[in-house]
Amino acid sequence: GAVVSQHPSWVICKSGTSVKIECRSLDFQATTMFWYRQFPKQSLMLMATSNEGSKATYEQGVEKDKFLINHASLTLSTLTVTSAHPEDSSFYICSISGGDDTQYFGPGTRLTVL
Amino acid sequence: AQKVTQAQTEISVVEKEDVTLDCVYETRDTTYYLFWYKQPPSGELVFLIRRNSFDEQNEISGRYSWNFQKSTSSFNFTITASQVVDSAVYFCALSEGMNRDDKIIFGKGTRLHILP
Repeated sequence: GAVVSQHPSWVICKSGTSVKIECRSLDFQATTMFWYRQFPKQSLMLMATSNEGSKATYEQGVEKDKFLINHASLTLSTLTVTSAHPEDSSFYICSISGGDDTQYFGPGTRLTVL
Repeated sequence: AQKVTQAQTEISVVEKEDVTLDCVYETRDTTYYLFWYKQPPSGELVFLIRRNSFDEQNEISGRYSWNFQKSTSSFNFTITASQVVDSAVYFCALSEGMNRDDKIIFGKGTRLHILP
């Protein structure tokens, strides 16, 4: 498999501030990473596909100006929630596709916006 | 369009009982992957199995087994002799193809409670 880390594991911020979440592939060079959002007791919803060296592809209904994705290297993708509001509070999870065509997930980041 | 249905929202069984989690999928693709993931209370998704659309053989891994039937578009998951540590949310998922970077569509999950 592949090992994926996320930082921070949880964050609390005030409404209106921006929060950056990092996703790292520790043992695999990932040209593509995926960002998901999961509300309490709900399923994972794909937000965007992050491509190394190019623009991310966002799913319908996801505001690209609010959820900024940067995939600057083969091991790091970042998701920045800009001007966060309480409704952005959620569990954000990233994943990569390993060499065996399976997606491996990070441990997630719990964002709480006050 | 692709769709994954996990009709069982929540299941509770007593420890040592067997339990089957149902998964039904819809796709127009002829090649695809099916997955099961486990999400314990910690939140991290744990990969359990991947099955490609060409391989309908059932698989057993310890207390876990999977039954893939293309005729009914189902990919059910059975836990034998359940244990409290099996308590988690289980997600069935479907890829849009068989390329590494294809998107995965998740079902809504089944919350499994194993009672001591």
